[in-house]
Amino acid sequence: GENVEQHPSTLSVQEGDSAVIKCTYSDSASNYFPWYKQELGKRPQLIIDIRSNVGEKKDQRIAVTLNKTAKHFSLHITETQPEDSAVYFCAASSNSGTSYGKLTFGQGTILTVHP
Amino acid sequence: DAMVIQNPRYQVTQFGKPVTLSCSQTLNHNVMYWYQQKSSQAPKLLFHYYDKDFNNEADTPDNFQSRRPNTSFCFLDIRSPGLGDAAMYLCATSRDRGVTSPLHFGNGTRLTVT
Repeated sequence: GENVEQHPSTLSVQEGDSAVIKCTYSDSASNYFPWYKQELGKRPQLIIDIRSNVGEKKDQRIAVTLNKTAKHFSLHITETQPEDSAVYFCAASSNSGTSYGKLTFGQGTILTVHP
Repeated sequence: DAMVIQNPRYQVTQFGKPVTLSCSQTLNHNVMYWYQQKSSQAPKLLFHYYDKDFNNEADTPDNFQSRRPNTSFCFLDIRSPGLGDAAMYLCATSRDRGVTSPLHFGNGTRLTVT
């Protein structure tokens, strides 16, 4: 099955700085990579996703890049704000094999943005 | 507002006492999932329903069961909760399996076992 590794486990930045979270995956059949933001005590919310036919996707201050050859993808947050503080999860999903349609999550990154 | 609704938000049960968590959705999605999330960990998939087709994860304990009586509702039954089952339980839906269908999570039920 799929295995997703996420780094770093904690990330602390100053307001206005950029934050980068990286994930690697093991199943070359994986072709969908969402990122979820989870605030304390709340549900995970999808913030951006990328499909394997695209190398980069951007939505305002958030961007995701995908390198299929190296099997890694990254989340980039620019001009961070205190309200960006949360736990961020990457995930991977495949359209084939035993992992079909299932999301495998990374371990999470606790992002803290200091004012 | 279409959404995934979980009840209750907080549930306290006694060791060994059966408990049922509920989830409903107004999205008319085909797939419903149950995830277990322990503190500071990633959500872990327990099982999912694709329409009426139940799909159990290989490492989900027999203590956990699920029912989906219709498209809108799905239940998680814990037959004999142990202290290790204390966690946040997240229900999620997707329109279909596969890359075109992002997950929509409910707000979760936090289960405490005393």
